[in-house]
Amino acid sequence: AQSVTQLGSHVSVSEGALVLLRCNYSSSVPPYLFWYVQYPNQGLQLLLKYTTGATLVKGINGFEAEFKKSETSFHLTKPSAHMSDAAEYFCAVSDMNNAGNMLTFGGGTRLMVKP
Amino acid sequence: KAGVTQTPRYLIKTRGQQVTLSCSPISGHRSVSWYQQTPGQGLQFLFEYFSETQRNKGNFPGRFSGRQFSNSRSEMNVSTLELGDSALYLCASSLAAGDRTQYFGPGTRLLVL
Repeated sequence: AQSVTQLGSHVSVSEGALVLLRCNYSSSVPPYLFWYVQYPNQGLQLLLKYTTGATLVKGINGFEAEFKKSETSFHLTKPSAHMSDAAEYFCAVSDMNNAGNMLTFGGGTRLMVKP
Repeated sequence: KAGVTQTPRYLIKTRGQQVTLSCSPISGHRSVSWYQQTPGQGLQFLFEYFSETQRNKGNFPGRFSGRQFSNSRSEMNVSTLELGDSALYLCASSLAAGDRTQYFGPGTRLLVL
């Protein structure tokens, strides 16, 4: 079974500082990888995804993530945090051994941005 | 293009009752998945429907069921509600069998008293 680990349930950064949210996965086959963001009382919004090809993927709102197969990681970064980035972030994987659509999520990381 | 819609957005039920939640996918999307989100367990996969057939099922009791209609709209039903069923239920749709990108709706918040 696949699993996703997000290190740090809470991360606090100052406005303008680098954002780094960590995600590691376990899978026998490189999966498809996703980052979603959730604002209070809302659903999940897709930030970015890795399927195949370039290992550095860019998403919305200035976020990007790098797929590192050797480290089984897919960390999310943003060079400069903005107050509006405060939200909960979820890393998810899709099992390539499963023909259907089933995402396994990490526990989430709540990002706080200090002025 | 309209996003995934879910109705109702909020629901209050009492233990023992049953509830039906509805999800309309993005136009053209044929796969619909359901997830339960709770503070304790996080986001957990319930089931996925594609072309009116359940293709995947998560580890939930049989009280949780779903279906998909020919227009790809989906419903999930929870019978004999328990307090622990209080959660945000999220529906997600994706384009086709090979496309694993899921787009989520706003969710239905269910409170069981």
